[in-house]
This record gives sequence, structure tokens and C-alpha cells, in this order.
Amino acid sequence: KAGVTQTPRYLIKTRGQQVTLSCSPISGHRSVSWYQQTPGQGLQFLFEYFSETQRNKGNFPGRFSGRQFSNSRSEMNVSTLELGDSALYLCASSLALGPEQYFGPGTRLTVT
Amino acid sequence: AQRVTQPEKLLSVFKGAPVELKCNYSYSGSPELFWYVQYSRQRLQLLLRHISRESIKGFTADLNKGETSFHLKKPFAQEEDSAMYYCALSGSGTSYGKLTFGQGTILTVHP
Repeated sequence: KAGVTQTPRYLIKTRGQQVTLSCSPISGHRSVSWYQQTPGQGLQFLFEYFSETQRNKGNFPGRFSGRQFSNSRSEMNVSTLELGDSALYLCASSLALGPEQYFGPGTRLTVT
Repeated sequence: AQRVTQPEKLLSVFKGAPVELKCNYSYSGSPELFWYVQYSRQRLQLLLRHISRESIKGFTADLNKGETSFHLKKPFAQEEDSAMYYCALSGSGTSYGKLTFGQGTILTVHP
């Protein structure tokens, strides 16, 4: 089976812009989670989707949002980008709701 | 609140030596604990989870609820074990599936 894929792999944006990141889970997996990884804060949970519904949300401002489509693919959106949003954004999928997650390679976002 | 602490940012051992990566957690309910590993230029992957009680690549980890610890151990380290190791916790109820990670420990195994 193909693993979790994320597009794009690298992105450079300017402060104030918005960005959309995409994640395709492993075939048959219905749950998708998003994490932000930075050198200072480490890995932090953003949100989790299952059957197109957000099931869990981390402590991030409302500028961070996401959605899941009927084919389980997911997107996350960050509006009004700030310099501090520069990070590696990881997507993970699991068969159902649960912590045994399979991670994608990440999208490296740089905000200038 | 869920919290995971990995007190060692860096850990160096020689090949063949025992290794122990420490992990302590804070959670009021019944958590599930995991170890994830990231080898150089590879994606983050699950190494083991406490409920399976398996030994993966020679690594074991025992959940000690009294000490709220989930240390990862291997009796004889190999050079290919060099990687970043993350301890992670999943809560129960509405927090199930939401992983809280520790800051990670970089393990270097010298020849």
C-alpha cells in the first residue's frame, strides 16, 4: 500500500498570505490528524478528522482550520500567516479513530 | 492536561552497550503510551505501543503507572538504532487519538 502523501513538500509564503496543505491517507484509512513540528515547541497536535468531522482540536488559533473529504483526503488551511507559523506540518492517518498513526513526510512551510 | 517529558535531549552509547531512553507522563485517566522513531531522512514511524507488549527491533518498554513512566530499553544497542525517538501519549474518551509528544531524544550509537 502506498503511504501517506502530502503536497506540496515545500512552500514559501509571505506574512499575511494564506496557505492550503493537502494530505492523502493510506487507502482504507478513515482518520487523518495534523501536527505542527517546530524546533522550539516540538510536535504539537492540530486537529483530527474522521468521516469528514473534526473530532479533536489542539490549542491553535482559529487561523488554523481543516477539513476532510468523503474520500478521506484532508486539507488544512492557515490564514493570515505569521512568521511563527514556519514549521513542518505533518499529516498522519489511521484506520479508525485512534493513536496508532502512520505519518506522511510533511510539508515544510517557510513564512517570510 | 496531557504532558510527556523526555528528560534527555541527547543520548550517546557505544555499540553493544545497553540503552535506556526515559519518558515520564502526566495524565489523570488511563493513557495509552507509544514510542515513535524517526531515522535520518525517513518519516516518523511507530516503534511500539504499551498495550501490545511486543519487542520491536530488540526494544521493549514497560508502562509503570506508579512512577508514570514508559522508558524504552534495549540490552545491546546497534549503530542502526541511531535516530530521534519520541515518546507519545494518547488519552482516553474525547482525547483518544490525540497524540501528545515529548520533545524527543536523539540517540547516537557509536561503533
